[in-house]
Formats: sequence, structure tokens, C-alpha cells
Amino acid sequence: KAGVTQTPRYLIKTRGQQVTLSCSPISGHRSVSWYQQTPGQGLQFLFEYFSETQRNKGNFPGRFSGRQFSNSRSEMNVSTLELGDSALYLCASSFTGTSGETQYFGPGTRLLVL
Amino acid sequence: AQSVTQLDSHVSVSEGTPVLLRCNYSSSYSPSLFWYVQHPNKGLQLLLKYTSAATLVKGINGFEAEFKKSETSFHLTKPSAHMSDAAEYFCVVTFSGGYQKVTFGIGTKLQVIP
Repeated sequence: KAGVTQTPRYLIKTRGQQVTLSCSPISGHRSVSWYQQTPGQGLQFLFEYFSETQRNKGNFPGRFSGRQFSNSRSEMNVSTLELGDSALYLCASSFTGTSGETQYFGPGTRLLVL
Repeated sequence: AQSVTQLDSHVSVSEGTPVLLRCNYSSSYSPSLFWYVQHPNKGLQLLLKYTSAATLVKGINGFEAEFKKSETSFHLTKPSAHMSDAAEYFCVVTFSGGYQKVTFGIGTKLQVIP
């Protein structure tokens, strides 16, 4: 099976712009989670989608939003970008997203905000 | 509430010597525990996983980890380090009882000296 894919891999934006990141899960996986990774804060959970519904949410401002489509592909949107949003954004998929289930990670999208 | 503590932010070993990366967890419920590895500019790759079966878990690339409930630990070991093991390692805990809530440790950077 193909792994989790994320596009684009690299992105440069300026403050105030918005950005949309895409994640395609492993075929058959219905749960998609998003994480932000920065040197200072480590890996932080953004949100999880399952069957087109947001099921869990981390502690991020409303500028961070996401959605999931009927084919389980997911997008994450960040509006009004700030310098602090520069990070590696990782997407992970799993079959049901229930406890103990393994998450499989994509390569990430590296976002630089200037 | 659950938490995970990686006791060392950096570990340096010589090639061919044993590796020990330490992880302690706190969880109100029966935890599932994972170790992931992240090479520079890459996503996270699953090394191994514990979900209440055998307490000694063998993973890929010669790594293994032992779940010790009395010590609330899940340390990662490898008998002999290779240069290719240089990476960042994350200990992750999820707890049983419904949808997956994932907590990451801060990561341990492993340096392998030739």
C-alpha cells in the first residue's frame, strides 16, 4: 500500500497570508490527525478527523482549521499567518483512530512564514 | 491525565556500543506505548509498539523496548549502534478508553560517533 502523502512538501508564505495543506491517508484509513512540530514546542496535536467529522481538537487558535472529504483525504488551513506558524506540519492516518491503534505518518509539509 | 517524559534530550554513543533511550509515562488507564524515529527532514517512522501483549517488544532495525509497569517505564534499547541510527526518537503514549488521544515526549536526539 502507498503510504501517507502530503502536499506540498515545502511552502514559503508571508505574514497575513493563508495556506492550505493536503494529506492523503493510507488506502482504507479513515482517521487523519494533524500535528505541528517546532523546535521549541515539539510535536503538538492539532486535530483529528474521522469520517468527515472533527473528533478531537488540540489547543490551537481558530486560525487553524481542517476538513476531511468523503475519500478520507484531509486538508488543513491556517489563516492570517504569523511568524510563529513556521513549522513542520505532519499528518498521520490510522484505520479507526481508536486507542492503541498505530498512526502512520507522512513526510510532512515544511512551512516558512516570512 | 496522561504524560510521557523522555529523560534525556540528547544521547551520544560510539558506533558499536549499546543504545539506551529512556521513557517514563503516566497514564490513568492501560496505556499503549510507541517509539517513533525521525530522521532529518523526514516524517516519523514507527519503530515498535506495546499494547498489553508481551512486555518485551521487538521492533525494526534491531531496536527493542521493555514495558515495566512497576517502574512506569518503556525504555528503548539496541545492542550495537550504527551510524544510520543517528536521528530523533519519540516516545508516545495513548490510553485505552475510546478515541485515541496521543501524547508525545519531547524527543531524544541520538548522536552516533564513529
